[in-house]
Amino acid sequence: EPEVTQTPSHQVTQMGQEVILRCVPISNHLYFYWYRQILGQKVEFLVSFYNNEISEKSEIFDDQFSVERPDGSNFTLKIRSTKLEDSAMYFCASSEGAGRPGEQYFGPGTRLTVT
Amino acid sequence: GENVEQHPSTLSVQEGDSAVIKCTYSDSASNYFPWYKQELGKGPQLIIDIRSNVGEKKDQRIAVTLNKTAKHFSLHITETQPEDSAVYFCAAISRDDKIIFGKGTRLHILP
Repeated sequence: EPEVTQTPSHQVTQMGQEVILRCVPISNHLYFYWYRQILGQKVEFLVSFYNNEISEKSEIFDDQFSVERPDGSNFTLKIRSTKLEDSAMYFCASSEGAGRPGEQYFGPGTRLTVT
Repeated sequence: GENVEQHPSTLSVQEGDSAVIKCTYSDSASNYFPWYKQELGKGPQLIIDIRSNVGEKKDQRIAVTLNKTAKHFSLHITETQPEDSAVYFCAAISRDDKIIFGKGTRLHILP
């Protein structure tokens, strides 16, 4: 069964450093998403991406964040200058279409620890 | 905007018994309610969903109920097995098609 993959599984970085989290969505999917889950809190929507541009972004997704689809398979989330409060689990998801949000397939997540 | 509350945060159930997880939502316009199971080291996986024009849906040992008037929805797992141990998230789809998650319930199935 096809699945979304993410690398690395755990990333430790120092405050102020840039990080890039990588995702490989399911190959025939057209819509891509990033979510964040701070420890003990809810999974929160960050951004959606379609047709090589951001479709929607939440208020969390400020100028420190950017997303890119550098080639036909990868989808990345970059945090330019990490803060302690960026420590969280980051999930990538993809879906074939936009009409059924419940049919987004989630990756296993990258745990980001900012020290 | 939509807000989803989920209870309990942790639930321990003897193997073979039933488990019930309850959620409430705030926006009466929400019309689709997925449930996710997150196993260790994996992302949330959709296990069952229910639409607002349906009161109950069942899939083998898993059932979901929806009370639109009270804005409550619940997940019921019967005859629990060790592999049911996981974190379960309820969610509601907001007016702008966002997945609004509950905080999650960690379910432990005791031998």
